[in-house]
Amino acid sequence: QAVVTQEPSLTVSPGGTVTLTCDSSTGAVTSGHYPYWFQQKPGQAPKTLIYDTTNKHSWTPARFSGSLLGGKAALTLSGAQPEDEADYYCLLSYSGAWVFGGGTKLTVL
Amino acid sequence: QVQLVESGGGVVQPGRSLRLSCAASGFIFSYYAMYWVRQAPGKGLEWVAVISHDGSNKYYADSVKGRFTISRDNSKNTFYLQMNSLRADDTAVYFCARNPQWLVRFVDYWGQGTLVTVSS
Repeated sequence: QAVVTQEPSLTVSPGGTVTLTCDSSTGAVTSGHYPYWFQQKPGQAPKTLIYDTTNKHSWTPARFSGSLLGGKAALTLSGAQPEDEADYYCLLSYSGAWVFGGGTKLTVL
Repeated sequence: QVQLVESGGGVVQPGRSLRLSCAASGFIFSYYAMYWVRQAPGKGLEWVAVISHDGSNKYYADSVKGRFTISRDNSKNTFYLQMNSLRADDTAVYFCARNPQWLVRFVDYWGQGTLVTVSS
């Protein structure tokens, strides 16, 4: 089974910009992996932020954006807010088999 | 608004069974496939099972195949996860979630989760 890798932790300053990445053990991440990004705050359910690489839900703050960057899926947060401190998980599809990354703990400090 | 409410979690001994339920509202339940996703304490997310809108197709993670069964009752807007032969490593919060498009999308809306603890 493929392994999906994320940065274990990242720190961003309030108002700053940070990019989280999602790497695949099988090679470059493409749009065919239908990358997803989820946000999870302590004690809460995950929330789906991004689907199909770049698409946002109605509840996704505009400061979040998804892309492909250097063979990886990427989630960029521009203008970080204190409430963005959370765990972020990516998810990739391998011909219909979904595999989660291990998550990135984002600290806003 | 879309709501998903899990129930049925609790403490159970290894080898025993438990059935989780997820009650859906705010959308036409019979149109959507549904997922169970779990999260062990302090760990990441793992998808467990998915069922198609009419219950005719079901897929399971290798870690639960042969022990867990997903089902649904569209007349009750509810779907289920029957968990048999439970093991300590099944201890997790179990989330139900809605799949907006079969086999192409993952999930959009999530429930709040129900905790299953497998312990003697």
